[in-house]
Amino acid sequence: AQSVTQPDIHITVSEGASLELRCNYSYGATPYLFWYVQSPGQGLQLLLKYFSGDTLVQGIKGFEAEFKRSQSSFNLRKPSVHWSDAAEYFCAVVTNFGNEKLTFGTGTRLTIIP
Amino acid sequence: GAVVSQHPSWVICKSGTSVKIECRSLDFQATTMFWYRQFPKQSLMLMATSNEGSKATYEQGVEKDKFLINHASLTLSTLTVTSAHPEDSSFYICSAMMDSQQFFGPGTRLTVL
Repeated sequence: AQSVTQPDIHITVSEGASLELRCNYSYGATPYLFWYVQSPGQGLQLLLKYFSGDTLVQGIKGFEAEFKRSQSSFNLRKPSVHWSDAAEYFCAVVTNFGNEKLTFGTGTRLTIIP
Repeated sequence: GAVVSQHPSWVICKSGTSVKIECRSLDFQATTMFWYRQFPKQSLMLMATSNEGSKATYEQGVEKDKFLINHASLTLSTLTVTSAHPEDSSFYICSAMMDSQQFFGPGTRLTVL
């Protein structure tokens, strides 16, 4: 069965520092890949997605992610984090094309320190 | 655009009672909506796919008689937790599909005493 792994449960980063959140998937073909952010009291917000084409994807809020087929990875990056980036981040995949069901990773909680 | 609301945002109920949670797409129509459950510090688990005008499709292990889903219109899906028990306490999140993308509601915190 397909799965999504986010190895880091919790990451702490200083404000202004760079960030990389890891995501690996297990699936025979290339799935559709997503990164979502969940802030308290707000719904999950889509940061970016990859369907095909250029493997470096730009998203909102200054985030980007790179799809690496050889590593089955889709890591999220940001060159300089802001205090407002503190949230829970979820990687997700769609493997059953046609019904668009998302399979989520376990999430990474990001804490920003001054 | 693409705003999804949920009501209520939180609810506390007694064991044995039923609770209804509404999910609305405010500025678009959604043939398909999804219902998720999220336990503390855990990921979202898909409970069911709700299709307007037809029966919901439940994921394996989800009791369809426990979690009743109705998608009566293109902007409203409801989840009713019947005869709720403390183990049903959780965070319930819905999403609505538009242009192959899911837009999520803010979630409903259910606490069953």
